[in-house]
Amino acid sequence: QVQLVESGGGVVQPGRSLRLSCAASGFGFSSYAMHWVRQAPGKGLEWVASVSYDGSDKYYADSVRGRFTIFRDNSKSTLYLQMNSLSAEDTAVYYCAREVIIQLWLSFDYWGQGTLVTVSS
Amino acid sequence: DIQMTQSPSSLSASVGERLNITCRASQTIGTSLNWYQQKPGKAPKLLMYAASRLQDGVPSRFSGSGSGTDFALSISSLHPEDFATYYCQQSHSSLYSFGQGTKLEIK
Repeated sequence: QVQLVESGGGVVQPGRSLRLSCAASGFGFSSYAMHWVRQAPGKGLEWVASVSYDGSDKYYADSVRGRFTIFRDNSKSTLYLQMNSLSAEDTAVYYCAREVIIQLWLSFDYWGQGTLVTVSS
Repeated sequence: DIQMTQSPSSLSASVGERLNITCRASQTIGTSLNWYQQKPGKAPKLLMYAASRLQDGVPSRFSGSGSGTDFALSISSLHPEDFATYYCQQSHSSLYSFGQGTKLEIK
């Protein structure tokens, strides 16, 4: 069965960096685009970044562009999010999600359980 | 960027009731609209894609409609397990924005 397991969250000081990982199993990881979505405490979902199946195309939300980098290692079936210059506004649960395209329509059909990032001094 | 606006932000309803949640896009998105359900402490779950296509395993009491800028998620008869927060998401542009959510509570 499809599984996405995030790790790497924790407490980090403002201005510091953190790298999140998402280990995928149960499907052909190298054939799917992947995304990061975050949710601040008590708030809604915010799409963060996406990477194409081969890592060649990447997109970022305005709120993280220039600070966060999404990348993947298909040989390890793992997705990453490198987060630099963190601020309190980045405090959230970070989910990885698999993109699926059915006919012409794109959606996120599988999600991990999330990893909490807390930016605090 | 495409902004997604849901209404209402919250509502109370009873088991067995029918209800609608609406979602409006700031520009036309065709039928590139997804709906997700999220329960406290859990990851979101895909309910519907392409505005009106039910994801595998989702009960038929859920339905979706709309195109262009205005969309709706309907639940024909609320079950206890339906009380959750619902999000719309546009997949028209590569910046996949979500609505702010609609929290459905038991009356």
